[in-house]
Amino acid sequence: DTEVTQTPKHLVMGMTNKKSLKCEQHMGHRAMYWYKQKAKKPPELMFVYSYEKLSINESVPSRFSPECPNSSLLNLHLHALQPEDSALYLCASSPPGHPGPSDTQYFGPGTRLTVL
Amino acid sequence: ILNVEQSPQSLHVQEGDSTNFTCSFPSSNFYALHWYRWETAKSPEALFVMTLNGDEKKKGRISATLNTKEGYSYLYIKGSQPEDSATYLCAFLQAGTALIFGKGTTLSVSS
Repeated sequence: DTEVTQTPKHLVMGMTNKKSLKCEQHMGHRAMYWYKQKAKKPPELMFVYSYEKLSINESVPSRFSPECPNSSLLNLHLHALQPEDSALYLCASSPPGHPGPSDTQYFGPGTRLTVL
Repeated sequence: ILNVEQSPQSLHVQEGDSTNFTCSFPSSNFYALHWYRWETAKSPEALFVMTLNGDEKKKGRISATLNTKEGYSYLYIKGSQPEDSATYLCAFLQAGTALIFGKGTTLSVSS
């Protein structure tokens, strides 16, 4: 299995809802990432998990809460989002070992989130 | 603020044309430069990871060069095909930071 899967593909939620995005990989990768990408902008890193521990949090608002329950799974819990949080949320993983300069990142197809 | 610039923003070529585009990045504390291809409705796909000045990588009709001293990388596509149509993203890694992506170059190849 050489892919990163993300569910759901699309999500529409209200500002008072609580929802979660899920990302899964079975390539034995030990680093996993969440990115946010708005239209016509580059992907922006949100969080990095290395060996199931949060290693980078790029000053993301607390209404986004990541969770890495095991080495194959990465969740992003969403609560009280704003319309400006509407974006494509991409998950990625990279090979075993701490994230290094030559580590290729393998991306999922993303979840398209719309906040009403 | 680290900035990664890609040019042109978009490009339209005919099948069989060769083309190239540029990624510019800060030349200090260079660690690595990644290229990804992102087709619509699919996942970004890794093309190359380049770490050494003067590095040249090739994958089929696609190749890339790297100049870390002046802070640029070129991606070349020889004999473009319609299936090459995609957005090509470069991402720069400086020591102690995470990947920073450019906005991408969107290539459209007509048959």
